Amino acid sequence: KQEVTQIPAALSVPEGENLVLNCSFTDSAIYNLQWFRQDPGKGLTSLLLIQSSQREQTSGRLNASLDKSSGRSTLYIAASQPGDSATYLCAVTLGSGNTPLVFGKGTRLSVIA
Amino acid sequence: DAGVIQSPRHEVTEMGQEVTLRCKPISGHNSLFWYRQTMMRGLELLIYFNNNVPIDDSGMPEDRFSAKMPNASFSTLKIQPSEPRDSAVYFCASSEQGRGYTFGSGTRLTVV
Repeated sequence: KQEVTQIPAALSVPEGENLVLNCSFTDSAIYNLQWFRQDPGKGLTSLLLIQSSQREQTSGRLNASLDKSSGRSTLYIAASQPGDSATYLCAVTLGSGNTPLVFGKGTRLSVIA
Repeated sequence: DAGVIQSPRHEVTEMGQEVTLRCKPISGHNSLFWYRQTMMRGLELLIYFNNNVPIDDSGMPEDRFSAKMPNASFSTLKIQPSEPRDSAVYFCASSEQGRGYTFGSGTRLTVV
């Protein structure tokens, strides 16, 4: 059974700092990995999708890497801002792609001005 | 594209009442997923459909829960009878053959 773990569970940093969120998964036979952002009381917003054949994806100040063999992904946020405060969720899928996402419990990020 | 549309956004109901949650997936997406989110357990898969056919409902808590997808543009999740422990946020998501998953805004259910 695929399990996804995110460390740390919570993180507080001063504005402007670069930071890394970690995600690990137990079954390396993933189809893709997706990072989401969730603001309090809101839905999930997709940030980055990495296919199993890719090593990283970038969008603005965000960079996500994937190392399938070690079962790890990282989300790098450059020059953090108070608006980045949210919960960040990592999720993976197995199989052919039309299978469910398995989520980690998330990392709750607070960026202090 | 309007995204995945869920209704209602909020539902407050009394224990024992029937609750129906609705979802309209993105047009062209052939997979639909129902998740439940709680503080204690995080996001849990309840059931998913491929091409309108239920594939795995092992996450449905008990017989009080049922889900249908009568066509490619509509799905329902029904709880009958509802109980206080069903209080959670219920999300619907759709995808198209591994090209990423899009979530609706969720339905916040409170059973009193």
